[in-house]
Amino acid sequence: GQSLEQPSEVTAVEGAIVQINCTYQTSGFYGLSWYQQHDGGAPTFLSYNALDGLEETGRFSSFLSRSDSYGYLLLQELQMKDSASYFCAVRGGGYQKVTFGTGTKLQVIP
Amino acid sequence: DSGVTQTPKHLITATGQRVTLRCSPRSGDLSVYWYQQSLDQGLQFLIQYYNGEERAKGNILERFSAQQFPDLHSELNLSSLELGDSALYFCASSPAGATNEQFFGPGTRLTVL
Repeated sequence: GQSLEQPSEVTAVEGAIVQINCTYQTSGFYGLSWYQQHDGGAPTFLSYNALDGLEETGRFSSFLSRSDSYGYLLLQELQMKDSASYFCAVRGGGYQKVTFGTGTKLQVIP
Repeated sequence: DSGVTQTPKHLITATGQRVTLRCSPRSGDLSVYWYQQSLDQGLQFLIQYYNGEERAKGNILERFSAQQFPDLHSELNLSSLELGDSALYFCASSPAGATNEQFFGPGTRLTVL
């Protein structure tokens, strides 16, 4: 089956940089996605990595190392509104099967 | 607004009852996914449909069932409800053949008393 590990909570200061790690186990890996979810809201897509390397989208970047079964989400110039839960999700174990991690709750403090 | 709609927004019912949650995917999306999210928990994948056919199954209980209709909307049926079924139920959709990005609806909050 598929499994993912990510830290349960992270605290960072406004304006700083934070990295949220995700390790996964899956058969037939296709890609790793990241989602953001504010309290009471729906998850929203942030990024997707299918190949090794860094993908940058504004203040957010996502990295993947397939050989290490590892990825991370990098948030720069943190803002208070970035306080939310962040989920990694692996696509694998079947072409269209996606498994979500348990989420990392990010708290941004002044 | 993701373009995915879910009804109802809130649902309160009693143990032993049966409810139906409805989801309309984004225009053009053929895949629909159902997730359960309990308090402070991650997203538990329940089931996926693609163009009317079941594609993948997660940890969906036998008391739960789903279907996708010819107009691509989907319904999740929950029966013999238990207190532990109280959760947020999300529907998501994605374009044909691409599950890299899923678009989530606002969710249905189910409370079983």
